Amino acid sequence: AQKITQTQPGMFVQEKEAVTLDCTYDTSDQSYGLFWYKQPSSGEMIFLIYQGSYDEQNATEGRYSLNFQKARKSANLVISASQLGDSAMYFCAMREMDSSYKLIFGSGTRLLVRP
Amino acid sequence: AAGVIQSPRHLIKEKRETATLKCYPIPRHDTVYWYQQGPGQDPQFLISFYEKMQSDKGSIPDRFSAQQFSDYHSELNMSSLELGDSALYFCASSLPLRNEQFFGPGTRLTVL
Repeated sequence: AQKITQTQPGMFVQEKEAVTLDCTYDTSDQSYGLFWYKQPSSGEMIFLIYQGSYDEQNATEGRYSLNFQKARKSANLVISASQLGDSAMYFCAMREMDSSYKLIFGSGTRLLVRP
Repeated sequence: AAGVIQSPRHLIKEKRETATLKCYPIPRHDTVYWYQQGPGQDPQFLISFYEKMQSDKGSIPDRFSAQQFSDYHSELNMSSLELGDSALYFCASSLPLRNEQFFGPGTRLTVL
């Protein structure tokens, strides 16, 4: 069963506008972590933001914020004031707090920022 | 700030050859993870090491092996290469008891 679902294969956003990238997850664990990574065309994976399942407040890192809705099992990434350099593939990932610390990734959303 | 170093960045091999990918984690990071990302796909976990011992194993073929050395660097050894092994191979590292995994730039392996 798919554990991380990103339903938007591609999205456009106008420069300086905000955009929300969707992510839903499936786990029976009570303790888990959710991550967002950015992958530009150059290929590297850039860590953006992290949300723990017990964190009461939504995580924020600069222009990135994570809209965490635990009951809905969603962890959407919000990018405010989009910039041309935000054009990239974005991956949502989950880490279940069992003995394994591996990340399970979604299929990604390709974001294109229009000037 | 120091980042995860991977070498080589690009590698071209023939079928049935062997390849060795190297990963140097961020200083003081004791946990290393290997991921494989096929063309147009999401990264898939291969294997991880904590304090030089294998901590988890994912969908890693038996033709692949890996280890972490005393200086915490890690090597992924791939034998009898197949066309389907062509992918971007990432190494990531993390501090003990910390959540963030920081990825290296990746090694792009092409098998001809």
